[in-house]
Amino acid sequence: DTAVSQTPKYLVTQMGNDKSIKCEQNLGHDTMYWYKQDSKKFLKIMFSYNNKELIINETVPNRFSPKSPDKAHLNLHINSLELGDSAVYFCASSLGPAGSDTQYFGPGTRLTVL
Amino acid sequence: AQSVTQLGSHVSVSEGALVLLRCNYSSSVPPYLFWYVQYPNQGLQLLLKYTTGATLVKGINGFEAEFKKSETSFHLTKPSAHMSDAAEYFCAVSDMDSSYKLIFGSGTRLLVRP
Repeated sequence: DTAVSQTPKYLVTQMGNDKSIKCEQNLGHDTMYWYKQDSKKFLKIMFSYNNKELIINETVPNRFSPKSPDKAHLNLHINSLELGDSAVYFCASSLGPAGSDTQYFGPGTRLTVL
Repeated sequence: AQSVTQLGSHVSVSEGALVLLRCNYSSSVPPYLFWYVQYPNQGLQLLLKYTTGATLVKGINGFEAEFKKSETSFHLTKPSAHMSDAAEYFCAVSDMDSSYKLIFGSGTRLLVRP
C-alpha cells in the first residue's frame, strides 16, 4: 500500500492554464506539506496543513492555492501557470507538526509548463 | 536564518569504499537533523535523524551520522559503498527559530564506481 500518493505523476501544460495536483496519505497523519524541487534539485517548503488548518504559508505567489478537504488529503491548485512553475512538486505528511517528526514523501509530480 | 551546507554536489567512490557525505548547519538553538535519500524519479526517504540523546545515530542501509555540536556538523557515513547506494542525498535541519520548518541542503549526488 502506498503511504503518500500523488496524482498525476506527470503534468504537461501550456502557459496560462490552471491545473491541480492531488495528494492523499493513508498513514493517519495530522500534518501534510507541499514542497517544490527545482531543476537544481533544491527543495523548498511551500505550505503545511495541520488537521486541515494552514500552519505554514511560505512566500509563494497567490496563484498557488492549497486546499485540505480532510486530514488525509491536500491538493494544490495553480492558476495562470508560468514557465517558472516547471518543477517537481512533492507532497509529504508527518504524525504532527513537531520539528522532530519524520516527514514521509510522495513520489512527486513533474510539472512542465510550455 | 537557518541554513544547511552540503560540501560537494557530487561525490564519487568505488564499490566497497568508505562513503562520507558532509553536512554543516547553522542554528542558534538545538536543532533536529535529518538525512534523506532520493533515488531517481522517486520521492525522498528518511535515512536517519537526530532529535535528542545519543549523538551517533544509526539509520537504514548501514548508514550512520554523528551530531557534533561544536562543529555544527552532521556528516553521513557508510563503511562500504554498494552500487545500490547511488542516489541524491539531502541533509535537513529544523528548529524552533524556523518554526520547525524543514530546511534542506542543496543535495549531494553519490556515484558508486564498480
